[in-house]
Amino acid sequence: EAGVAQSPRYKIIEKRQSVAFWCNPISGHATLYWYQQILGQGPKLLIQFQNNGVVDDSQLPKDRFSAERLKGVDSTLKIQPAKLEDSAVYLCASSFRSGTVKVYEQYFGPGTRLTVT
Amino acid sequence: QQQVKQSPQSLIVQKGGISIINCAYENTAFDYFPWYQQFPGKGPALLIAIRPDVSEKKEGRFTISFNKSAKQFSLHIMDSQPGDSATYFCAASTTNAGKSTFGDGTTLTVKP
Repeated sequence: EAGVAQSPRYKIIEKRQSVAFWCNPISGHATLYWYQQILGQGPKLLIQFQNNGVVDDSQLPKDRFSAERLKGVDSTLKIQPAKLEDSAVYLCASSFRSGTVKVYEQYFGPGTRLTVT
Repeated sequence: QQQVKQSPQSLIVQKGGISIINCAYENTAFDYFPWYQQFPGKGPALLIAIRPDVSEKKEGRFTISFNKSAKQFSLHIMDSQPGDSATYFCAASTTNAGKSTFGDGTTLTVKP
């Protein structure tokens, strides 16, 4: 079974530039998560999708961050404009959830390491 | 407000020894407690998880001990090996939400 795919793996941009990250979850996984992991900290949830609908985006800085999952499969996370404090690893994860069946094992991709200079 | 507190921040253990990492949570609505292992350059990988209806779960050399009344849970790694050297994260989630709240991680080094 193929894992969660993310690209790019690394990105260096200057502050005030924009950047986009892509994630393709495990086939059949309805739930998709984007996490931000700052060096030395645990992952922090930015947004959670169930199919193509947003379940939780309470911690997404909406003035600069946006995410979409238009067809309920792959997803894109965008930052515009980037700030120095956005330097982090952006992790995508997916889990299987179908109707009343709730399975919460999350499978993470390798992440995208963003450096903002 | 940090809802999951993890300790220690770093841990050094000799090969064959026992590694113990502790976590405490605040939200009594949490009902799923996974542990993740993360190697440099990789995403976290689920190691073992427990629900609060049991006090202990063992899988191979890895054991979770859970104390519901104290709102604490811990990971024990028996016969620690150099290959276990990684960062370990505890997490907690609610059945309805699915999302996980993570601790800040413990960097484990197992010396040969």
